[in-house]
Amino acid sequence: KNEVEQSPQNLTAQEGEFITINCSYSVGISALHWLQQHPGGGIVSLFMLSSGKKKHGRLIATINIQEKHSSLHITASHPRDSAVYICAVQPGGSNYKLTFGKGTLLTVNP
Amino acid sequence: EPEVTQTPSHQVTQMGQEVILRCVPISNHLYFYWYRQILGQKVEFLVSFYNNEISEKSEIFDDQFSVERPDGSNFTLKIRSTKLEDSAMYFCASSEEEGGGDQPQHFGDGTRLSIL
Repeated sequence: KNEVEQSPQNLTAQEGEFITINCSYSVGISALHWLQQHPGGGIVSLFMLSSGKKKHGRLIATINIQEKHSSLHITASHPRDSAVYICAVQPGGSNYKLTFGKGTLLTVNP
Repeated sequence: EPEVTQTPSHQVTQMGQEVILRCVPISNHLYFYWYRQILGQKVEFLVSFYNNEISEKSEIFDDQFSVERPDGSNFTLKIRSTKLEDSAMYFCASSEEEGGGDQPQHFGDGTRLSIL
């Protein structure tokens, strides 16, 4: 059974701080997704990656397939970054099913 | 930018009643998904759909659930006889190609289903 563990569960930061959220998983995967969920509930896809590193604006996602670990970094954090960040993995052999972590609640204070 | 749209945003239904949740995926997408999130819990996969048939489903997706693409644009989730434990946020998603490619899943804003 694939488990997806995120840390920390909750994170409070001051505006401008560098943020790191971690995700570990237990089985081989074909891809890993980072998602953002705002208080209203909607989910936005931030990254999908299967190796290396991706960057979009102030967001950077990295993955180490051998260590079964991924990180999401936010540089120069801003209060509008406050949201739940969710890691989800696509197990190897499944092209469809995503298994989700519990999410990390990020609060960025001005 | 094209969006996945879901209706209604909030549905309140009596236990035992049938409910249909509706989704309009992005128009050129071929793969469709339903997920649910019980309040305070993580998002769970329900079902994926491609080429007018179910590709994969979870153990949650039992006989009371069904999905359909009745026309070229809508993708629906039907719950035949709702139970209290079906209360959750239901998310529809779509993707241009199958997982493992470079195209992520695009999610709708969700339908909050409340069973009384």
